[in-house]
Amino acid sequence: DTGVSQDPRHKITKRGQNVTFRCDPISEHNRLYWYRQTLGQGPEFLTYFQNEAQLEKSRLLSDRFSAERPKGSFSTLEIQRTEQGDSAMYLCASSPGTGRYTEAFFGQGTRLTVV
Amino acid sequence: GESVGLHLPTLSVQEGDNSIINCAYSNSASDYFIWYKQESGKGPQFIIDIRSNMDKRQGQRVTVLLNKTVKHLSLQIAATQPGDSAVYFCAEGLVNTGNQFYFGTGTSLTVIP
Repeated sequence: DTGVSQDPRHKITKRGQNVTFRCDPISEHNRLYWYRQTLGQGPEFLTYFQNEAQLEKSRLLSDRFSAERPKGSFSTLEIQRTEQGDSAMYLCASSPGTGRYTEAFFGQGTRLTVV
Repeated sequence: GESVGLHLPTLSVQEGDNSIINCAYSNSASDYFIWYKQESGKGPQFIIDIRSNMDKRQGQRVTVLLNKTVKHLSLQIAATQPGDSAVYFCAEGLVNTGNQFYFGTGTSLTVIP
C-alpha cells in the first residue's frame, strides 16, 4: 500500500461549476477525514467518517459541500456551484482502529483553483 | 534557533544546529497533540505525538515538550539537516471524543547549508 491517494492532484474550474474529488485511504483504515488548507494556513477540518458513517461535519462545510463514503473504503467530496473562495488545497487523511485516536496519514491533496 | 509560532512564523537555522519550534494551543481540554511536517506541494507528514499525561516524548532526532499550565507545545529538532526545511504545524485534539484536529498557523523552517 502506497498511502492515501487523492485524485485529481490539481483542478481548475470556472465559478459556478461542480467539482468532485476522490480519496482512497490506506487499506483497512476505518477512519477518513477531509481537511481544507489555504495558502499559509494550517489545515481546517471539514468532515470525518467512521467506516461509511459520516460522524462529524464542520460549520465550514456549507450546503454546497457534500461528502460520501458509500462502502467504507474510498470517499468523494463534491462542491457544487463553486465560488472563488473555495480555492484551496483539499486534503484527505485516514487512520486505523476505533475508539482512541491514532495517527492520521495525509494524502498529497487536491489543489482547486476557481477562476 | 527558536520561533514563537504566530509571532515569528519563519525560522532559519544553520545546518547541524538544533531547532526549536513553538506552538501555543487554544483549548485547555485538548489531550492529544501532534506535530506535522509539510513540504511544498505535499500533504502533512506525521512527526511525533504526545498525550496530555506526558510532558516529554522523544523520537528520532525530535523531542516534543508539553506544558499544559501555559498551553504550550514545542518541537525540538536535533542536528538540523537541509531535509528538515518545511512548514511545521502543531495540531491539538481530543483522544476519546474528538476526531477533528485543530491546526496552528505553522512555522516555516529553513535550514542553511
